[in-house]
Amino acid sequence: DAGITQSPRHKVTETGTPVTLRCHQTENHRYMYWYRQDPGHGLRLIHYSYGVKDTDKGEVSDGYSVSRSKTEDFLLTLESATSSQTSVYFCAISERGGMATNEKLFFGSGTQLSVL
Amino acid sequence: DAKTTQPNSMESNEEEPVHLPCNHSTISGTDYIHWYRQLPSQGPEYVIHGLTSNVNNRMASLAIAEDRKSSTLILHRATLRDAAVYYCILREGTNAGKSTFGDGTTLTVKP
Repeated sequence: DAGITQSPRHKVTETGTPVTLRCHQTENHRYMYWYRQDPGHGLRLIHYSYGVKDTDKGEVSDGYSVSRSKTEDFLLTLESATSSQTSVYFCAISERGGMATNEKLFFGSGTQLSVL
Repeated sequence: DAKTTQPNSMESNEEEPVHLPCNHSTISGTDYIHWYRQLPSQGPEYVIHGLTSNVNNRMASLAIAEDRKSSTLILHRATLRDAAVYYCILREGTNAGKSTFGDGTTLTVKP
């Protein structure tokens, strides 16, 4: 299994509070991604990173920010959580990113976030 | 962006073959076809991928139509542990992680 750790695994918070989710990898892969998955649906990309301090938006980036100060860590922050952000959040990594379309994505186990 | 279409659900009996279809009529010439599966309460895991030729690995086989507008994931002998949501995605040339995951096919395996 790829060395990907997401923390926390479960989080309950209140509307309006800031929340930070962490993804830590031990694979030294260049690309890291944050997805959200709502019940009965596939994954939607929030933000991704293609290197330290290099990030870009995905398809559902509103209300989220990210930071990557080290290769191994990718943080997802909800500045002011809303109930619509209740979801399961998955982190993924890939070695080289877009230049190798036959490359695999490796996923973490997910963080269940509930915003009350 | 090229999209994929999969049936919402399929059922299979244990130890029988399963053929999971995927349509991708707008695929471009450089798009790889990838399959992932997601077991309950877990993150997705890679199953198989291909470009033009059929592919086999220890988990499954991938049959790709000659015009590449459809593909089929084949599980040769389904087990109860194969019950999962299976996603067919196209890997774009610009950024692999920006691939679109649709809703997938929920496979139920009956004993």
